[in-house]
Amino acid sequence: SQQGEEDPQALSIQEGENATMNCSYKTSINNLQWYRQNSGRGLVHLILIRSNEREKHSGRLRVTLDTSKKSSSLLITASRAADTASYFCATEGGGSNYKLTFGKGTLLTVNP
Amino acid sequence: GAGVSQTPSNKVTEKGKYVELRCDPISGHTALYWYRQSLGQGPEFLIYFQGTGAADDSGLPNDRFFAVRPEGSVSTLKIQRTERGDSAVYLCASSTRGEGVLFFGEGSRLTVL
Repeated sequence: SQQGEEDPQALSIQEGENATMNCSYKTSINNLQWYRQNSGRGLVHLILIRSNEREKHSGRLRVTLDTSKKSSSLLITASRAADTASYFCATEGGGSNYKLTFGKGTLLTVNP
Repeated sequence: GAGVSQTPSNKVTEKGKYVELRCDPISGHTALYWYRQSLGQGPEFLIYFQGTGAADDSGLPNDRFFAVRPEGSVSTLKIQRTERGDSAVYLCASSTRGEGVLFFGEGSRLTVL
């Protein structure tokens, strides 16, 4: 079963714009992670935010976590064509401290 | 190698055949995971190894699926009597226990005709 649900399912923007993707989940978590997947490739870890953190930054990425609403958002600023990929949120927790449960992902297209 | 290596990258087989997919994790990573990803979906958990033992195989869909990791490094996912519904990308990932971040291979794309 998949715990996370990303929103929107697909997002198309112009280069230079910001992209925001949202993730909702159902059970308690230890941490929430975002991964990126280029078409036909494996997943690459982007950022991890722990349940006691509210916001985290890494380069052009900003992640927020609201455990009261069981939701997270990923913001990519000043997007580039190379950011075109699928983005997945994954949660660790809900009784398991080793297993990541992934959402269905958001397909981001950045047009040059 | 530096990353997680999966072979074969592509496998086409006929319904009813037996298939083996191999994963070579990052050296020193004690945790190894198998996930399955269908088109347009996120990865779905199949099985988790800590060392040589399968600590959680709750995601294996049925008894046609089996995985081993006899020496605590390389793992093989075995699928018997393949069905068309088994067609998917099978992803392997490894991690350092407790770190939480998974390092994925490029996947093995299985097509059952």
